[in-house]
Amino acid sequence: GAGVSQSPRYKVAKRGQDVALRCDPISGHVSLFWYQQALGQGPEFLTYFQNEAQLDKSGLPSDRFFAERPEGSVSTLKIQRTQQEDSAVYLCASSPWGGPYEQYFGPGTRLTVT
Amino acid sequence: QKEVEQDPGPLSVPEGAIVSLNCTYSNSAFQYFMWYRQYSRKGPELLMYTYSSGNKEDGRFTAQVDKSSKYISLFIRDSQPSDSATYLCAMTTGDSNYQLIWGAGTKLIIKP
Repeated sequence: GAGVSQSPRYKVAKRGQDVALRCDPISGHVSLFWYQQALGQGPEFLTYFQNEAQLDKSGLPSDRFFAERPEGSVSTLKIQRTQQEDSAVYLCASSPWGGPYEQYFGPGTRLTVT
Repeated sequence: QKEVEQDPGPLSVPEGAIVSLNCTYSNSAFQYFMWYRQYSRKGPELLMYTYSSGNKEDGRFTAQVDKSSKYISLFIRDSQPSDSATYLCAMTTGDSNYQLIWGAGTKLIIKP
């Protein structure tokens, strides 16, 4: 079956531009997670949705980062006024429930801010 | 000091060797321990998970957790070139058990 998909796969933005990253989870998966992975590092948690409810956004680095999942399926991570330190791979994962060991990851969006 | 420490490598071994990958952690409240494999330009893929202490085996892979030492290991037997990837450990407490804390990953190279 289809896995988690993310688009675009690569995004280059000039400093100060706004970007929107899309995640299509596995159909029927209740939970959705966003992670940020810097080069040579493990992923870092950004935010978590259960259906359309954003239950935890404690990992979002600043108020320039915003995530939504309005219909409990597709999610968008938006970054306003991008900065160079935002350059990273943004990973989306979905889970049939909230359990820690059933997170299925997409390929990620590599964001480069110039 | 990070909550989860993992040697970044690279670790280079000949095909057929037994590989040992390790992580140490500082938070004694961690209960779930996972190992992920990540190929270049791909997302992490879950290999194994263990709850609390003990061993778990799945084919060529064995995961071990020693909570008294705060140390976890992944062993790969009969390593293959296709095992070449970055291996990440991840762990979580039982409180908000959806939020994973990750090691930095160890790059593994299996030489044919």
